[in-house]
Amino acid sequence: EIVMTQSPATLSVSPGERATLSCRASQSVSINVAWYQQKPGQAPRLLIYGASTRATGIPVRFSGSGSGTEFTLTIGSLQSEDFAVYYCQQYSKWWTFGQGTKVEIK
Amino acid sequence: QMQLVESGAEVKKPGSSVKVSCKASGGTFSNSAISWVRQAPGQGLEWMGGIIPSFGSASYAQKFQGRVSITADESTNTAHMELSSLRSEDTAVFYCVRSSGYYAAFDIWGPGTTVSVSA
Repeated sequence: EIVMTQSPATLSVSPGERATLSCRASQSVSINVAWYQQKPGQAPRLLIYGASTRATGIPVRFSGSGSGTEFTLTIGSLQSEDFAVYYCQQYSKWWTFGQGTKVEIK
Repeated sequence: QMQLVESGAEVKKPGSSVKVSCKASGGTFSNSAISWVRQAPGQGLEWMGGIIPSFGSASYAQKFQGRVSITADESTNTAHMELSSLRSEDTAVFYCVRSSGYYAAFDIWGPGTTVSVSA
């Protein structure tokens, strides 16, 4: 099983600041990585797929990068609605998720 | 745009089984894979298994092998997930999700349904 490890577990950021979330795969997954946002009581929402392609309707302040084993989700200028838990996922070999990064208000 | 909706919340006894359904509306299962994702309270997301309805055979995560069964009916755009030998640790929200095939991101999620396992 491919293990996805996210860091940090919690990220404290002030509104308007940039947030950078990391995700590492235990083996190469090429660019077969997605990022999801989950708010309390809601289902996750797809933000990014193919490591860097925004899903339909996702604001441009969300950007993804990386390939192989190292991936990054960047949220430029955090808005109030962006405070949530973010999960990375690989889909190179079946599907596995990282444990999540909580982005909280500083 | 396809929407997915799971069946209602369930309360089960340890050792029993639960069968959850997922109905698609506004679209069909054609060109889709349907998977099930589990999320225990306060925990992360786990892929349990999935099926390509047009092919019929399902694949399962090793953790759930032998305990989960996923089926789908293209004619009614409905999928089912049955989990047996329930234990308290199976208390969770179960999501039905869609991808364009195996090895693709989950682009559509159902709202989830809660299964509680308690004596």
